[in-house]
Amino acid sequence: EVQLVESGGGLVQPGGSLRLSCAASGFTFSSYEMNWVRQAPGKGLEWVSYISSSGSTIYYADSVKGRFTISRDNAKNSLYLQMNSLRAEDTAVYYCARELGYMDVWGKGTTVTVSS
Amino acid sequence: EIVLTQSPATLSLSPGERATLSCRASQSVSSYLAWYQQKPGQAPRLLIYDASNRATGIPARFSGSGSGTDFTLTISSLEPEDFAVYYCQSSSGTFGQGTRLEIK
Repeated sequence: EVQLVESGGGLVQPGGSLRLSCAASGFTFSSYEMNWVRQAPGKGLEWVSYISSSGSTIYYADSVKGRFTISRDNAKNSLYLQMNSLRAEDTAVYYCARELGYMDVWGKGTTVTVSS
Repeated sequence: EIVLTQSPATLSLSPGERATLSCRASQSVSSYLAWYQQKPGQAPRLLIYDASNRATGIPARFSGSGSGTDFTLTISSLEPEDFAVYYCQSSSGTFGQGTRLEIK
């Protein structure tokens, strides 16, 4: 079964850091581009970051550029999002999603809450 | 940056009725547009990709059309499980703000 499972969310103070992980199974992870997408409470979907299959091409939304870093370890079938200098407006459910020009597989998400 | 505008924001219909949801792009996205369904507490689910192709396992009552800047998601006869929020997305990653489909 094709599956993505996020982890690493939690409560963090403003200015703090958090590292999210996404474990992939049931498909050849190294062949696929990946994304992080977030959803603030009661709001719509916001694309956060993209990484190519090899990791050589990376894009970020302006809202997180310079603070978040996407990476992957194809040997471990894992995707990561390092989040630094967190702000209250980063509070959201964070999803990882497989990319095919559209997002065909999504994880269930992990919740990040930025609050003092 | 491509902006996607969905309308209406909320659509109130009854089971069995036809639903028509719109997504307009600020510039041409060719046919590179996808539609997703999201229910409360769940991750989004891919319904339609490349404007008109149904994803695996999606019922035939869901259909997509359009190209360029104007796109439509049609649900031919609403089932109770179809009441949810629907998002469009371009291949650039941008999402529309969503249309909430609610029971009338």
